[in-house]
Formats: sequence, structure tokens, C-alpha cells
Amino acid sequence: GAVVSQHPSRVICKSGTSVKIECRSLDFQATTMFWYRQFPKQSLMLMATSNEGSKATYEQGVEKDKFLINHASLTLSTLTVTSAHPEDSSFYICSARDKAGGLETQYFGPGTRLLVL
Amino acid sequence: SQQGEEDPQALSIQEGENATMNCSYKTSINNLQWYRQNSGRGLVHLILIRSNEREKHSGRLRVTLDTSKKSSSLLITASRAADTASYFCATDRGSYIPTFGRGTSLIVHP
Repeated sequence: GAVVSQHPSRVICKSGTSVKIECRSLDFQATTMFWYRQFPKQSLMLMATSNEGSKATYEQGVEKDKFLINHASLTLSTLTVTSAHPEDSSFYICSARDKAGGLETQYFGPGTRLLVL
Repeated sequence: SQQGEEDPQALSIQEGENATMNCSYKTSINNLQWYRQNSGRGLVHLILIRSNEREKHSGRLRVTLDTSKKSSSLLITASRAADTASYFCATDRGSYIPTFGRGTSLIVHP
């Protein structure tokens, strides 16, 4: 089956540093990837839609300069949290849409837990 | 903004019992999907039901959709301790991007 990986799975950083999270589709090509964040016991909130070779589309209220997204290839999208602050601590989940599959299906990564001290 | 809202927020049952979770939404949809999330993990897709379907089955899962009431239910029969997880409904209003509800936290006691 389709597998999406994320790296790292957990990261702890100091306030003011930048953190990069990778999302990879391991056995399929993903023209579109999505980035979500999830606070404890809350829903997944879509942050941005990432299309290979083009700029990401950010949801309202999400700062594009704060959350840099790069989708450089059909199997890799990265999310960089710049100048991270404690309020950025959250669970970040990516998902990927299979280029060869239907538009309705997304495959989710295992998530990255970010803790900013 | 959230579209689906699950009910109840938390459900605690004994192994072997059935678990029913409901999802209500506000605007018309193309499809509705149910996902499971184990604690601190990613999401696992369970089932997709389209707006012209009323019921679907997958193993011990049964999903219904009532578009007139804008609601869906997920029934897990003969629950097991391994079913302990959070369950989310997600609706697609036509953009093929699911919008998630807050989820139902299910605990199945062995």
C-alpha cells in the first residue's frame, strides 16, 4: 500500500530556531501534498496545499513566511517552521495525493511532534 | 473552518460491545470519509461514502450517510481493545480536500 513518511518524528528546539520537517511518499508520486497541524485533542487544521513545482497555497490565517513549504520533487515536500516559538509547538501531519490515484484519496504520514522550549 | 462535528466527544465501552459515533455537517458534500488516529500517530483511512450512497460496510465497520439530515454514523461492531483510538469524519465539499471534525475518542476496555 501507499506509504508516506515524515522525518523527524519528534523534535525539540529552542525558541528562535528554525525546524525543517520532511514528508516523503515512498512508493508513489505525489503531485499534491497537504500540511496539517493538530493541537492536543483537537481536529486537524489544514495549513497549506503544496503542489510540485509551484508555490504552496496557504489557508487563511497561516503565515507563509512563518511556515515555508517547498515541494521540490514528486516524492518530497518540506515544511520549515521559521523562528519557532512555544506557541508553534504542535503535531504536524502531512498527507499526499497519489498522482495515479483518485483525487479523493490521501495518504497520511505518521506525524511530527514539535516542542519549542 | 471545521465542517464536521463528531458526537460523542468521548466514548468508553467494554470489549465485544458495539460503538457508534456520529458526524454532523453543515453544507452539502461530495463525499464523507472516516479516519482513525491512534494516540500521537498519523491517520488511517477507514472508509469513504459518497453523497449518493446511504450505507457502506467494511469488515466490522458500517457507515451510513443521511444527506437530508447532513449526518453520518460509524458503527464498529464487536469492538476490540485494539479499536481504542480517535475517530474523525472528514467532508469534501468539492475541492477534494477533506475538512476534519474534532473527533470522537473511543476507549475499549478489555
